Amino acid sequence: ETGVTQTPRHLVMGMTNKKSLKCEQHLGHNAMYWYKQSAKKPLELMFVYNFKEQTENNSVPSRFSPECPNSSHLFLHLHTLQPEDSALYLCASSQGGTGINNEQFFGPGTRLTVL
Amino acid sequence: GDSVTQMEGPVTLSEEAFLTINCTYTATGYPSLFWYVQYPGEGLQLLLKATKADDKGSNKGFEATYRKETTSFHLEKGSVQVSDSAVYFCALRNAGNNRKLIWGLGTSLAVNP
Repeated sequence: ETGVTQTPRHLVMGMTNKKSLKCEQHLGHNAMYWYKQSAKKPLELMFVYNFKEQTENNSVPSRFSPECPNSSHLFLHLHTLQPEDSALYLCASSQGGTGINNEQFFGPGTRLTVL
Repeated sequence: GDSVTQMEGPVTLSEEAFLTINCTYTATGYPSLFWYVQYPGEGLQLLLKATKADDKGSNKGFEATYRKETTSFHLEKGSVQVSDSAVYFCALRNAGNNRKLIWGLGTSLAVNP
């Protein structure tokens, strides 16, 4: 058990739907991350939150909207997605901010399919 | 910019075979190097890491040595098991790159009984 949970594990949505992905970490960490994992591509960092403040947005389209209400929870709100957004979305957390040697702990991911 | 290059998979081995997965990197300064493993249906887990040149990271029978002269961090295991079947990712983290993890593409390993 990694201490980072994600729900739902699988999601199928149409391009006009609105859905949200949820991540929860039980590790007492202060930094949380959203990654996109697509076939044949390196893992893409999307957003970083450090002590509930967004510290990084890697040019992610506005149809992806993150929310971090507290250090334990992270959401990714989705609306009007495109089929190319289909991927595995991974959440991670780390202790004490984003220090160079802080290990990131990953959740199992949400497999998203956009029809 | 910083980058990580891994050998392409898939790699298919028989149980008890020797494993090497090559990883080389390009980075300024002195990055920390990591191997992560992703078992089927799961998220990534840190397998081992090395934070300075000549360090050897090891865990679960896997080893990797930080070779600055060859900018490499190859993953090795002397005798693989079926349970080692997974995707392995090499990554680096550099203070000069806003501390982001830079990832390789991943190498899929299948171990047959």
